[in-house]
This record gives sequence, structure tokens and C-alpha cells, in this order.
Amino acid sequence: QVQLQESGPGLVKPSETLSLTCTVSGDSISNYYWSWIRQPPGKGLEWVGYIYYSGSTSYNPSLKSRVTISLDTSKTQFSLKLSSVTAADTAVYYCARGSYYYGSGTYYNNWYFDLWGRGTLVTVSS
Amino acid sequence: QSALTQPASVSGSPGQSITISCTGTSSDIGGYNYVSWYQQHPGKAPKLLIYDVSNRPSGFFSNRFSGSKSGNTASLTISGLQPDDEADYYCGSYTSSTTLVFGGGTKLTVL
Repeated sequence: QVQLQESGPGLVKPSETLSLTCTVSGDSISNYYWSWIRQPPGKGLEWVGYIYYSGSTSYNPSLKSRVTISLDTSKTQFSLKLSSVTAADTAVYYCARGSYYYGSGTYYNNWYFDLWGRGTLVTVSS
Repeated sequence: QSALTQPASVSGSPGQSITISCTGTSSDIGGYNYVSWYQQHPGKAPKLLIYDVSNRPSGFFSNRFSGSKSGNTASLTISGLQPDDEADYYCGSYTSSTTLVFGGGTKLTVL
């Protein structure tokens, strides 16, 4: 059974860098698109960005200047770094698996999330 | 990118049908068939309900949940409402900027 598990500090100080890791267990990391999605308390979902197993990335334009998503295939993990955080970055952060389809010799992002981690609350506060 | 527009809340009685709308633009919902829907119970992670506008993941949800699209608006219909359907529902769509945008979410109350 494939599972995703987020890990990292639950408290980050303003202006510092938020760092989270998602560990994928029970399946290969290949061919999928791995995303981070966040949800401020009491609010809706916000897509942060994804990384493809080849290393290519795409980020939410509103966060692009502060976000880096990386992949460690040997550990079947992918990570999120969000710099210069403020209280507005306080949220539950989910990692999620993005589905793909195969056509004409290429794997394409299918732009939906079929598997989610349980989420981890990160609070930005001094 | 602007969030897709969903009603803040909808309600229905057990056994009834309800529809949740999700309105975007020609740069997202109207331009592509990459529309998905998610169900989220309080304190839980979202779960995939519908993908590619109207497809259900195999083995997860019953055919009481269905999706459709017309122009720039996608819709999720839940028939035969059950108490456990009470949850938040989110739509998501691919955009022409090669990104993904979610709707603001709709709270479904089963009366």
C-alpha cells in the first residue's frame, strides 16, 4: 500500500526558511508528479508546486520567488523549502502524488492528485 | 492566478441530489479537460472524487458522485445524499500557465 508522510518542524520563525520532507513508501517514485499543497487554518487549498521524477518543476506564480522543491530518488523523498516566511505561510502542508498518462513515448502530467499525505501543520511565529 | 469560484455552502436532505458549481475562465476550466474534485472531512486530508471532468477513480467512490463541464463552469453532482457526504468539496483545474488552481471550497451540509 502506497503511503506519503510529511515531516519537518512545526514551528518556524518569521523571515526564516520552512523545510519539509515527504517520504514515499510502498511504490517507486518514477513517472509521477510530486506536489506540495497547503491549507491555511479554516481556508481553502492552495497548490504550491510540483517536481517530476526527472527533476523538472513548476511552481505557483504567487510563491515562485520563494519556493524550491527537490527530489531524492535514492531515498524516495521529495522536499519543500519556502524562504522568508511570514504569518501568512502558516498552514497545513500536504504532499500529494500527481497522476500521469503515457502517450507518444512521453509521460504527461494529468493534473490531479490521487494520493495525499496526512498533512503537517506549520506555524510561523516568533 | 485567481482561485476558481465555488459557492461557500450548499445543503440538502438525505436522499436528495445537490450540485456544486466551479467557475473559471477560458484559461483554465474552459480550455482544458483537466478538472478534478476532492472531498475533505474535518481534520482529514482531501480525497480524489473525480478527475478529467467526469471520471471516477476505480474502487473509491460510488456512482452517486458525477462530474460535468459546460463552458467555463464545472459541476459536481451528488445524488442520494447520505450523512457521511457532509464535508468540504474542492475543484481543481489545470491552467494555461502550466500550473494548477483550486476553487475556494464548498461546505456541504446534510440536513
